[in-house]
Amino acid sequence: DAEITQSPRHKITETGRQVTLACHQTWNHNNMFWYRQDLGHGLRLIHYSYGVQDTNKGEVSDGYSVSRSNTEDLPLTLESAASSQTSVYFCASSEVAGLNEQFFGPGTRLTVL
Amino acid sequence: KNQVEQSPQSLIILEGKNCTLQCNYTVSPFSNLRWYKQDTGRGPVSLTIMTFSENTKSNGRYTATLDADTKQSSLHITASQLSDSASYICVVRISGGYQKVTFGIGTKLQVIP
Repeated sequence: DAEITQSPRHKITETGRQVTLACHQTWNHNNMFWYRQDLGHGLRLIHYSYGVQDTNKGEVSDGYSVSRSNTEDLPLTLESAASSQTSVYFCASSEVAGLNEQFFGPGTRLTVL
Repeated sequence: KNQVEQSPQSLIILEGKNCTLQCNYTVSPFSNLRWYKQDTGRGPVSLTIMTFSENTKSNGRYTATLDADTKQSSLHITASQLSDSASYICVVRISGGYQKVTFGIGTKLQVIP
């Protein structure tokens, strides 16, 4: 069965360190997204990609970057982790056409100390 | 500003009882509205999708309604089960772009025996 996976599921890091969160999907979807989820907020879009070599900034992109070298993967990098980036991160993917249902990964809980 | 507001923020009901969750939105131009279920520690999973022309749609014990004129949607859960304990998130898509979705904060439902 097709799926979307994230790793690690939990990560503790220190302020200033670079951190990369992995996202891998086997749906063969062109669209991929990264969100963060915090108490009191709905899911907020960090970055998204419509296909290989395409990346775009979302509403909360400062301090984050992504790269898309193949269809299956969209890693999210925190260049210099800050305590404000402590959050749960979700990766999602969707097909190009149709009703664009987004399929979400299980999430990565990141703590920045 | 495009917004999605959900009520109540949290709800506790007895197993076997019915409940209704509300979603009001100001998103425009409207494309579709989805209800997602998010179990604790998991990613959201789509329950139903409502397009402009649809008033009611059911998925088992879940029934969603949409009033596009008043920009309101509801999710009715019948004969609740303990497994219904989760957060329910209303997501509205704007016409014209894959990334143009606005997430509500969600309603946290707890079903108790």
